[in-house]
Amino acid sequence: DAKTTQPNSMESNEEEPVHLPCNHSTISGTDYIHWYRQLPSQGPEYVIHGLTSNVNNRMASLAIAEDRKSSTLILHRATLRDAAVYYCILRDISGGSNYKLTFGKGTLLTVNP
Amino acid sequence: EAGVVQSPRYKIIEKKQPVAFWCNPISGHNTLYWYRQNLGQGPELLIRYENEEAVDDSQLPKDRFSAERLKGVDSTLKIQPAELGDSAVYLCASSPRGTRFLDEQFFGPGTRLTVL
Repeated sequence: DAKTTQPNSMESNEEEPVHLPCNHSTISGTDYIHWYRQLPSQGPEYVIHGLTSNVNNRMASLAIAEDRKSSTLILHRATLRDAAVYYCILRDISGGSNYKLTFGKGTLLTVNP
Repeated sequence: EAGVVQSPRYKIIEKKQPVAFWCNPISGHNTLYWYRQNLGQGPELLIRYENEEAVDDSQLPKDRFSAERLKGVDSTLKIQPAELGDSAVYLCASSPRGTRFLDEQFFGPGTRLTVL
């Protein structure tokens, strides 16, 4: 499985934008980039995913580098409720294992009031 | 719409005792997953069901762990006997369709197991 590298932790202030980086230098052409987050004492929840183009949804934006070796999850205005562990995950759509979510340790985001 | 329901939320047992966790996925979701999450780590997949069939149990420690999903709806994960190293959060997730799709997985709140 292609691996991802994320900083262990990041800190932000409330109502400021947050850019969470993810490196995936061994990404293959059939890997989708997914982000999940896990709020305290809850299960992970889906945030966003993309393949090549930048993506936006109500929760966040995903910026994907042109060579796809890195991506950035953007929270436009962080709130206290965004404090969570953010996981960057590659999902390979080829073969039969595209259901697999292989979680790393993720990035612990702290949001200061 | 109700999310994935798990019970109990917390369980404390002594080692060598049996324990069971229950999961009710989102209505209509064909695929069900059990994950284990150790402290400070991301979740790891234990088993995946497509309807009532366990199609990937390669990560399930079969000497002491078992799971079932009768009638392809709710599921039970059992540990017998529990060991100290089984202390973790056990997460259940479901997704609408099978493996050919990139559906998101919807997770329950988990069961925190403490083995003394």
